[in-house]
Amino acid sequence: KNQVEQSPQSLIILEGKNCTLQCNYTVSPFSNLRWYKQDTGRGPVSLTIMTFSENTKSNGRYTATLDADTKQSSLHITASQLSDSASYICVVSLNSGNTPLVFGKGTRLSVIA
Amino acid sequence: DAGVIQSPRHEVTEMGQEVTLRCKPISGHDYLFWYRQTMMRGLELLIYFNNNVPIDDSGMPEDRFSAKMPNASFSTLKIQPSEPRDSAVYFCASSFRGTGELFFGEGSRLTVL
Repeated sequence: KNQVEQSPQSLIILEGKNCTLQCNYTVSPFSNLRWYKQDTGRGPVSLTIMTFSENTKSNGRYTATLDADTKQSSLHITASQLSDSASYICVVSLNSGNTPLVFGKGTRLSVIA
Repeated sequence: DAGVIQSPRHEVTEMGQEVTLRCKPISGHDYLFWYRQTMMRGLELLIYFNNNVPIDDSGMPEDRFSAKMPNASFSTLKIQPSEPRDSAVYFCASSFRGTGELFFGEGSRLTVL
């Protein structure tokens, strides 16, 4: 069964600290993996996309990694800011089949002063 | 482009009433998705369309739910009759290609009393 598991479920960190969010998937055939950021009361917004051949991709203070062999991805946030408080959702796309996208349940990050 | 537009943003209704949620996708996008989000289950795919044709509606909870896409610029999700367990945030999203980046609307928060 195609699944995406995220950990931790929630996380609280101090402003300025770094953190890493995890995403494990059992999706096949794999097409790509995206991390979305969802602010409270808003719709999710794409942060980054990882394809099969990519190991690392950065978007400002956000760095995503992908290990296609172990089927794991991580999102590292550097020097966190209060505005990073949000839910981060891992979404994996399939290359075939009727349902092209599999969503994780997200990690709720709270950055406190 | 204004992005994906959903209405209403908030809806409070009584059990048994009909609810209609509306969505205008981004012009040029050929996929449209309806999702439901709750704290317990995260984002769940209800149905998606490709070029206005429903492709997969296996996520629609039961016959009380129906969705239409009469043209490329408009879609509706209808619940009749509504029940308290339908209370959730309903998101519409569109993309160019099924595995492309999803652009979400701001969501419609439904409360059924």
